[in-house]
Amino acid sequence: QLQLQESGPGLVRTSETLSVTCSVFGGSISGNGFYWNWIRQSPGRGLEWIGNIYYSGTTNYNPSLRSRVTISVDTSRNQFSLRLTSPTAADTAVYFCAREELGIFKWGRGTLVTVSS
Amino acid sequence: AIRVTQSPSSLSASVGDRVTITCRASQDIRNELGWYQQKPGRAPKLLIYAASGLQSGVPSRFSGSGSGTRFTLTISSLQPEDFATYYCLQDNSYPYTFGQGTKVEIK
Repeated sequence: QLQLQESGPGLVRTSETLSVTCSVFGGSISGNGFYWNWIRQSPGRGLEWIGNIYYSGTTNYNPSLRSRVTISVDTSRNQFSLRLTSPTAADTAVYFCAREELGIFKWGRGTLVTVSS
Repeated sequence: AIRVTQSPSSLSASVGDRVTITCRASQDIRNELGWYQQKPGRAPKLLIYAASGLQSGVPSRFSGSGSGTRFTLTISSLQPEDFATYYCLQDNSYPYTFGQGTKVEIK
């Protein structure tokens, strides 16, 4: 059974880069037809789709974050990752990873990342 | 980006009530919309995909309908475990966008 598990630092300084990793269990990240997504949720912004990646490395990003976001995949570790540069307090959120296939999303439990100076 | 407007933002209902939540998209998204239930501290859980497809394991009291720009989620007989927040998500085009959520509370 597919499970996704996010891991992150918990607290990030505004001078650092926010990095979160999603580990995939019970399925291959290299499977055809699956897109691997990052989504975040905060009280002020609700649910926000950040972007996704295919195992080949093709990415799609939300234009609102494109200049600061990089999503990458490591097929050897069955993981994909999110990097967000120049974080501010507005980037404080629960970050979820999710697998999508034809509109069906399977989510991880999420990890809270707090940005503080 | 496609805007998704969800209504109402909250509602109070009793066990056994029929509940309807609506999402409207700012442009035609065919049937590419899903419905999610979220409880506090948990990840959203998929209820309905492709506007009307019932996800495996989800009770049949949940149903979805609509296409184009107007979509509805209906709970035919509200159960105690259904008190939660519900979201729609359009996956027709990037960036994917969510409705603002509907909190279903106990009357």
